[in-house]
Amino acid sequence: DTAVSQTPKYLVTQMGNDKSIKCEQNLGHDTMYWYKQDSKKFLKIMFSYNNKELIINETVPNRFSPKSPDKAHLNLHINSLELGDSAVYFCASSQEGSGRSWEQFFGPGTRLTVL
Amino acid sequence: AQSVTQPDIHITVSEGASLELRCNYSYGATPYLFWYVQSPGQGLQLLLKYFSGDTLVQGIKGFEAEFKRSQSSFNLRKPSVHWSDAAEYFCAVGAEGTGRRALTFGSGTRLQVQP
Repeated sequence: DTAVSQTPKYLVTQMGNDKSIKCEQNLGHDTMYWYKQDSKKFLKIMFSYNNKELIINETVPNRFSPKSPDKAHLNLHINSLELGDSAVYFCASSQEGSGRSWEQFFGPGTRLTVL
Repeated sequence: AQSVTQPDIHITVSEGASLELRCNYSYGATPYLFWYVQSPGQGLQLLLKYFSGDTLVQGIKGFEAEFKRSQSSFNLRKPSVHWSDAAEYFCAVGAEGTGRRALTFGSGTRLQVQP
């Protein structure tokens, strides 16, 4: 009955590889996000999707490509991984509407380590 | 653009002592304010939120926070800290009217609890 789930929890890979992180939410929300938490614990928005439509695309390398097959899923694909991509990636979701749409529910995070 | 400042990077308190974590925000209007907690190796859990109304909000685990418009602050408090409260605490702001639905996070405050 997990609200926002991510797979995998840990991902260790070599530089240059391509990898994907999956996110699913069962809250019925229509907006999903990807945040990146760096080694200093700083959290920053990367992408946001509303009803499968991209609404926020922060300045991230185009090696990062989000894909939303439906409202309940937002996957993150990363091409040509670099050392600097090592971080914890959090998925989150919320329901568009009143002020309460700002209340975001976070997944457990995926710790990506690029060697 | 909105910003969030958590001036204390690291705080140590004794178990049973009171706690106050500081958060200041910068935004032209009243933002939506949140406190999240991240236990080691875990995701982000919402502690409490302020949207409007009563400026003193109660959250989970015995936490409360007070919104002070004049000081642009939203400090988190707990009257008696438990060892299990040791974690990283993040203040976040959501700003209506910016065309964005992503939260802006502070840099976090790490709380250590001494026996």
